Amino acid sequence: EDKVVQSPLSLVVHEGDTVTLNCSYEVTNFRSLLWYKQEKKAPTFLFMLTSSGIEKKSGRLSSILDKKELFSILNITATQTGDSAIYLCAVDQAGTALIFGKGTTLSVSS
Amino acid sequence: DAGVIQSPRHEVTEMGQEVTLRCKPISGHNSLFWYRQTMMRGLELLIYFNNNVPIDDSGMPEDRFSAKMPNASFSTLKIQPSEPRDSAVYFCASTSRGGAYGYTFGSGTRLTVV
Repeated sequence: EDKVVQSPLSLVVHEGDTVTLNCSYEVTNFRSLLWYKQEKKAPTFLFMLTSSGIEKKSGRLSSILDKKELFSILNITATQTGDSAIYLCAVDQAGTALIFGKGTTLSVSS
Repeated sequence: DAGVIQSPRHEVTEMGQEVTLRCKPISGHNSLFWYRQTMMRGLELLIYFNNNVPIDDSGMPEDRFSAKMPNASFSTLKIQPSEPRDSAVYFCASTSRGGAYGYTFGSGTRLTVV
């Protein structure tokens, strides 16, 4: 059965800390891996990764994919309270819909 | 573009009642997805359509759930009869290119069945 597993399920850090969120997957016909941020409403797109070893970066957020070991990480440096959210990992299989992990709930305290 | 529009935003209904959730995808997007989100199970795919045709409904929990897409600009998800375990946030998303790149989610419908 295709699956996407995220860890940890929840995380509490202090402002300024660096966090690493993990996503592993077992799917057929892998096409890409996506990260989303979900605050109170709908998930919003962060990154799409298709190639191993190429880091995607946006401000304090970065992500990388390892297609050999079937995982991805999302790093957030110098965390801020505004980073508090659920971070969702999803895998795109060619010809089907996204499969999501259960998410990591990040809480950043001031 | 107004994005993906879902209605209602919140719905509270009694067990046994029929519930209809609505979604208007982004104009030009040819794929539409219905997801359900709960704390226990996360985001689960219920059904998706390509060019208004249902492609995979294996995620629909049971016969009480049905979905339609009569045209490119409108879709409904119906639950009849509703049960308390159906309480969740239901998201609609759309995309173009027939695949998952660039999903845009609606704001969701929070359904509570009492």
